[in-house]
Amino acid sequence: GENVEQHPSTLSVQEGDSAVIKCTYSDSASNYFPWYKQELGKGPQLIIDIRSNVGEKKDQRIAVTLNKTAKHFSLHITETQPEDSAVYFCASYMKTSYDKVIFGPGTSLSVIP
Amino acid sequence: ETGVTQTPRHLVMGMTNKKSLKCEQHLGHNAMYWYKQSAKKPLELMFVYNFKEQTENNSVPSRFSPECPNSSHLFLHLHTLQPEDSALYLCASSQAIAGDTQYFGPGTRLTVL
Repeated sequence: GENVEQHPSTLSVQEGDSAVIKCTYSDSASNYFPWYKQELGKGPQLIIDIRSNVGEKKDQRIAVTLNKTAKHFSLHITETQPEDSAVYFCASYMKTSYDKVIFGPGTSLSVIP
Repeated sequence: ETGVTQTPRHLVMGMTNKKSLKCEQHLGHNAMYWYKQSAKKPLELMFVYNFKEQTENNSVPSRFSPECPNSSHLFLHLHTLQPEDSALYLCASSQAIAGDTQYFGPGTRLTVL
């Protein structure tokens, strides 16, 4: 079936360094790719998203890039801070008859002060 | 605060109990979702409601029974659950189902003894 792969599963970086998380999707018809951040005890919160008509989108320290040909997209966090520590999920909008979003397994990011 | 609330936040129940989870969204959205989040597994979509009508039942066992009385409220009725059903149950809402951003509640942590 359709799925989304996400790597790495865990990531530790020093404060101030950059973090990159990569995802691969299987449905070539997918056209919406959100990224969610989940902190302990909370539900996932949207941090950035991208649609298939653009290749890159930035919002302050975070950016997402999309390569539709290769069917992968990445989250980039620059100048990481301890409060960036959380689990990050990528997702792909599956254009099936029910238009559902498939989530990746998540990346646990730790930013070391 | 995302505008999506869930109660209770924590629930412990025996396998013979009947309980219900409640979700309410204050965003004026038309679509609502139930997800199951288990340790080290991707978010699993369970049910989708669009304008109070169920549009997706992702092969969920009948011991989980959803109810959507209006576009703002969503329930998940639980009965004769198994220990493997222990997980974080997340509710989400979106303006529409066609690739719109989903806003998640904080979840209900369910433990089945």
